[in-house]
Amino acid sequence: LAKTTQPISMDSYEGQEVNITCSHNNIATNDYITWYQQFPSQGPRFIIQGYKTKVTNEVASLFIPADRKSSTLSLPRVSLSDTAVYYCLVGAREGGFKTIFGAGTRLFVKA
Amino acid sequence: NAGVMQNPRHLVRRRGQEARLRCSPMKGHSHVYWYRQLPEEGLKFMVYLQKENIIDESGMPKERFSAEFPKEGPSILRIQQVVRGDSAAYFCASSPLRDRGETQYFGPGTRLLVL
Repeated sequence: LAKTTQPISMDSYEGQEVNITCSHNNIATNDYITWYQQFPSQGPRFIIQGYKTKVTNEVASLFIPADRKSSTLSLPRVSLSDTAVYYCLVGAREGGFKTIFGAGTRLFVKA
Repeated sequence: NAGVMQNPRHLVRRRGQEARLRCSPMKGHSHVYWYRQLPEEGLKFMVYLQKENIIDESGMPKERFSAEFPKEGPSILRIQQVVRGDSAAYFCASSPLRDRGETQYFGPGTRLLVL
């Protein structure tokens, strides 16, 4: 199983760009990288997913280097409402399908 | 298209009672996942089901816990003889098919409190 490592927490200010990096040294060839966002008392919400290079949607960008051993979630111009926990996941297969959530990164956005 | 629905949202049980948590996946989704989350921790995978089949239950305790996803109706996570350590938020997620990307859509969770 490809484990992930993320910073435990990050602080930012409104309007800044936030980059959260995730390490996944044992990523397998067929694995995708997915990021979720979770607010208190809510279920995680899908943000973005990628396999390699760069992916961008209306919410975020995901940068994946050629070796795919890490990825960076980029949130442009964060607001207070972006305060949440962000999880990096790597698709894993071992017979069945098991999604491994780490502890995530707690992002605090200050005014 | 309604999202993943879970009920009840909050459940209080006394030690020794049974807890039954329900999850209705998004329309068209045939894959259901259950996770448990303790306060200030990440989600822990419990079980992965397809209609009428348990695909992977490696994260679910072997005793007292069971899950099903019948042909008709919601998926059920059942906890028998609950103990205080079962108090947690239980999230259900669904996906349309098991592909490499495997994007999951989560419900709002059921918060179980065992007194």
